[in-house]
Amino acid sequence: AQTVTQSQPEMSVQEAETVTLSCTYDTSESDYYLFWYKQPPSRQMILVIRQEAYKQQNATENRFSVNFQKAAKSFSLKISDSQLGDAAMYFCAYRSERDDKIIFGKGTRLHILP
Amino acid sequence: DSGVTQTPKHLITATGQRVTLRCSPRSGDLSVYWYQQSLDQGLQFLIQYYNGEERAKGNILERFSAQQFPDLHSELNLSSLELGDSALYFCASSGEPGVAGKYTEAFFGQGTRLTVV
Repeated sequence: AQTVTQSQPEMSVQEAETVTLSCTYDTSESDYYLFWYKQPPSRQMILVIRQEAYKQQNATENRFSVNFQKAAKSFSLKISDSQLGDAAMYFCAYRSERDDKIIFGKGTRLHILP
Repeated sequence: DSGVTQTPKHLITATGQRVTLRCSPRSGDLSVYWYQQSLDQGLQFLIQYYNGEERAKGNILERFSAQQFPDLHSELNLSSLELGDSALYFCASSGEPGVAGKYTEAFFGQGTRLTVV
């Protein structure tokens, strides 16, 4: 069964600095999708970025980028120029193309220090 | 607005009772997922339906059941409720991966906050 591991329960970063959140996953599949979701205090789940496993190029969305290492089964999220509004729980997620299940890591709580 | 609608937003009920949570997916999405999130915890996958059929099952208790109807809305039934069932229950919907023009991510509703007293 697939698993998603986020080894950093909490992280802090100074406003305007860069922070990297780690995520590793375990799978025997070759085709799948990876995501980072943000959950602010409102508890709404918001997609931050997606990555298709068949794409070698790392996804980028404005200040958010990923470092996707397929062989290492690693999918980290880099947030540049951190802003106060980035404070939230961040969840890494894996979607199987075979059985379509979407599973989440336990999350990393990110604090932004003014 | 994600396009996924969950009702009710809040629910308070007593132990031993039964409740039904409802989810309307985004237009055109055939997959519906249910997740449970206890306080400050991650999202626990409960169950997934695809076009009316159960497709994947997670750590769903026997006291819980779900179904997806022909109009694609889904209901999660929770019975014999216990204090520990208090949580935020999310529904999410998604299109088919690998299908041109279909989003691969799950779109989440606002959640139903269940409090068992």
